[in-house]
Formats: sequence, C-alpha cells, structure tokens
Amino acid sequence: AQTVTQSQPEMSVQEAETVTLSCTYDTSESNYYLFWYKQPPSRQMILVIRQEAYKQQNATENRFSVNFQKAAKSFSLKISDSQLGDTAMYFCAFMNRDDKIIFGKGTRLHILP
Amino acid sequence: KAGVTQTPRYLIKTRGQQVTLSCSPISGHRSVSWYQQTPGQGLQFLFEYFSETQRNKGNFPGRFSGRQFSNSRSEMNVSTLELGDSALYLCASSARGQTTDTQYFGPGTRLTVL
Repeated sequence: AQTVTQSQPEMSVQEAETVTLSCTYDTSESNYYLFWYKQPPSRQMILVIRQEAYKQQNATENRFSVNFQKAAKSFSLKISDSQLGDTAMYFCAFMNRDDKIIFGKGTRLHILP
Repeated sequence: KAGVTQTPRYLIKTRGQQVTLSCSPISGHRSVSWYQQTPGQGLQFLFEYFSETQRNKGNFPGRFSGRQFSNSRSEMNVSTLELGDSALYLCASSARGQTTDTQYFGPGTRLTVL
C-alpha cells in the first residue's frame, strides 16, 4: 500500500527566510503524481504545486519549488522568501493510476514577522 | 466563476443519527471528490463521483455513501453516526477528475457528533 510521510509536524521560520518541508512516500509504481496542498487557517485548501513522476525536471511555481528524488522517494517543498501569508498547514499527497489520492499528515508552518 | 460551495458549514448531530452533506462544484466541473479530515488520521479520501457514477472509493465503511446528480452537485450521507465521525468533510471538484486536473476544494462542513 502506498504511504506518504511528513516527518515535520510543525515548523516556524522568520519572514523572508527559505524553508523546506519534507515528504517521503512509498510505492511500487513507476508512474504517479505528487502534490503539495496548502490549507491556510480557516480557509480553503489550494494546490501549491504538482509533479509528474515521469518528469525529471523539478516543478516550480513562483516562490515554491520541489526537490523530487524519485529513487529516494522523496518530494520536498521549498518556499523561498517566505511571507506571512504562507502560514498554513501543508499537505504532501500522492496519486497513482487508480486516481486515489493519499495525503500525508501535514506540516503546520508558521511564518514569524 | 463561483468556487466550490458546501452546505451546511457546521452540523451537530448525536450518535445513531444520519446526516447528509451537500457539495456544489465549480460550474462545468464533472468530478467531485469527498475527504474526511481529522486531527488523528489527517486527510482521507472517501470517494469520487464523475458523471453521476462513483468512480473511486476509499477505505470507509458502508455507512458512508454518496451520490451525484445530473448537474454535478453531490451529496454525502453518513448513517448511524459514531463519535469518531466528527470531522471536517471536504469536497473538491475538477473538470474531468484526471490526475492532470487541478482539484478545487470547498470550505468544508464541520460535523460534530455528540
């Protein structure tokens, strides 16, 4: 069975710093998708970034980028120049060919002024 | 475009009762997925509907069921409520439910079972 592990339950960083959120997963499949979702306090969850396993190039969306290490089954999220609005719960997620999505337990990120 | 809406936003029920939650997807979206979010278990996939058919199902007991209407609106029903069903229930819609589609989440319905 596929699993997604986020080893950092909670993190705090100063505004403007760079922070990296860790995610590892376990699967025997070779083709799948990985996601990072952001759930701000009392607000709706939104997709931050998506990575397709067959693409070697790391996905990037403005200040958000991933470090995808397929052999290590690692999918970390880097947030550059962090802003107060980045304070949120971040979920790493895995989706296989069956389109069933599996989420990690989440990392609560606090951006401090 | 209006976002995904969920009603009601808050619900309080007692054990043994049943509850129906509603989700209206973004206009034009045909796929609706439901998730349960709890502090202990995190986010878990319940099921996905596409064109009125359940296309995928997570590992939840049969007390959890759903349906989708021809206008893509979806309802989720939980029968014989248990204390452990207290959770935030999220729905998400996407255009076709494919992995290349972006899912848009609603604000959730917070269910409290007493």
